[in-house]
Amino acid sequence: SQTIHQWPATLVQPVGSPLSLECTVEGTSNPNLYWYRQAAGRGLQLLFYSVGIGQISSEVPQNLSASRPQDRQFILSSKKLLLSDSGFYLCAWNSREAYNSPLHFGNGTRLTVT
Amino acid sequence: DAKTTQPPSMDCAEGRAANLPCNHSTISGNEYVYWYRQIHSQGPQYIIHGLKNNETNEMASLIITEDRKSSTLILPHATLRDTAVYYCIVRVRSNFGNEKLTFGTGTRLTIIP
Repeated sequence: SQTIHQWPATLVQPVGSPLSLECTVEGTSNPNLYWYRQAAGRGLQLLFYSVGIGQISSEVPQNLSASRPQDRQFILSSKKLLLSDSGFYLCAWNSREAYNSPLHFGNGTRLTVT
Repeated sequence: DAKTTQPPSMDCAEGRAANLPCNHSTISGNEYVYWYRQIHSQGPQYIIHGLKNNETNEMASLIITEDRKSSTLILPHATLRDTAVYYCIVRVRSNFGNEKLTFGTGTRLTIIP
């Protein structure tokens, strides 16, 4: 069966520090991969998605970047965190082959920038 | 993607059926209805999806009206573990398969012991 791993679960970082969140998927090949952010009490905002290695599309201009160095690995990064980067970050995947394949989410990383 | 409207909160007694409504009056013919739920501090969990026929799986049933302008998610025997925020989403898959899903604020369902 397919599983998605996301780490760390929680993170407290000072303003101006770098960020690296990692997500890996097991049990599937060629997945679509996504990074979402959820602010407190709000819905999910799509940040990045990827349909293949090295292929990243950004949905919103921001202080963050994403990379996909391997087929089932998706990394969210920042060179210098801002206070506004605080939030709940979620990685997700779905199948590229199956039409209307639902999204499957990781358990998220709660980031607090102080 | 079509906009959805859900009540902000609902209560349901444990053991009873929980019926969560969703309005999507601007849905187009090729848009599917998806339901997810999010338990506090966890990632959203996929529940069920459908196009125009009613659907049932091990978690829930999805009833879509004939005009497809609204739907109802039914949890047949609610338990305390079903307390969560439930999101109704309609979307059509893009040519590249990317998911520009718009998760609104959903319905906060509380199961009462």
